[in-house]
Amino acid sequence: NAGVMQNPRHLVRRRGQEARLRCSPMKGHSHVYWYRQLPEEGLKFMVYLQKENIIDESGMPKERFSAEFPKEGPSILRIQQVVRGDSAAYFCASSPFQTSGTSGGTQYFGPGTRLTVL
Amino acid sequence: SQQGEEDPQALSIQEGENATMNCSYKTSINNLQWYRQNSGRGLVHLILIRSNEREKHSGRLRVTLDTSKKSSSLLITASRAADTASYFCATAPLGGQGNLIFGKGTKLSVKP
Repeated sequence: NAGVMQNPRHLVRRRGQEARLRCSPMKGHSHVYWYRQLPEEGLKFMVYLQKENIIDESGMPKERFSAEFPKEGPSILRIQQVVRGDSAAYFCASSPFQTSGTSGGTQYFGPGTRLTVL
Repeated sequence: SQQGEEDPQALSIQEGENATMNCSYKTSINNLQWYRQNSGRGLVHLILIRSNEREKHSGRLRVTLDTSKKSSSLLITASRAADTASYFCATAPLGGQGNLIFGKGTKLSVKP
């Protein structure tokens, strides 16, 4: 039973390039969440997606960042024209149902992608 | 705004001792979860406690939740060197869409 998979694990980009981070949720999970973690900090929520829908993107910067979760394939977090401040660890999590519901649920995290912008 | 705040920020104990970490939050929640993160790795879910629960156990872990004080504690009994990690509490806000709000974590060091 494979867990949440993220690739690449490490990504180096120069300022102005694009970064694409991929996340494959656990089998049977249709809810995906992206978080960003700066060094020595907790995780900050970015975006919550279900298949083909963005449910909550309140934590996503308005410019340069976008996310998708197509019907087929992994979820993608895309950062255009990266800047040094984008350097961080980006984690994806998945759950079989909405975490905040009364039925509640655990989010299962991937190993993260560590983005370094030179 | 930051929801969970862990206390202490860092904790160093000897193997065999108990470790207690506290978490405070600001708004009403559906549930509160504790996660562990080893250095440079992803997060591992430890335990979830719902807003209508007061205490929960899982192996050497004991979690309490006091919704009137908006606080939770994580107790690790008989700690081991392998428990060395950062521990985060995360809250699922009431009425939220599904995102978790994390604190900055407690860095636990267990010396053999």
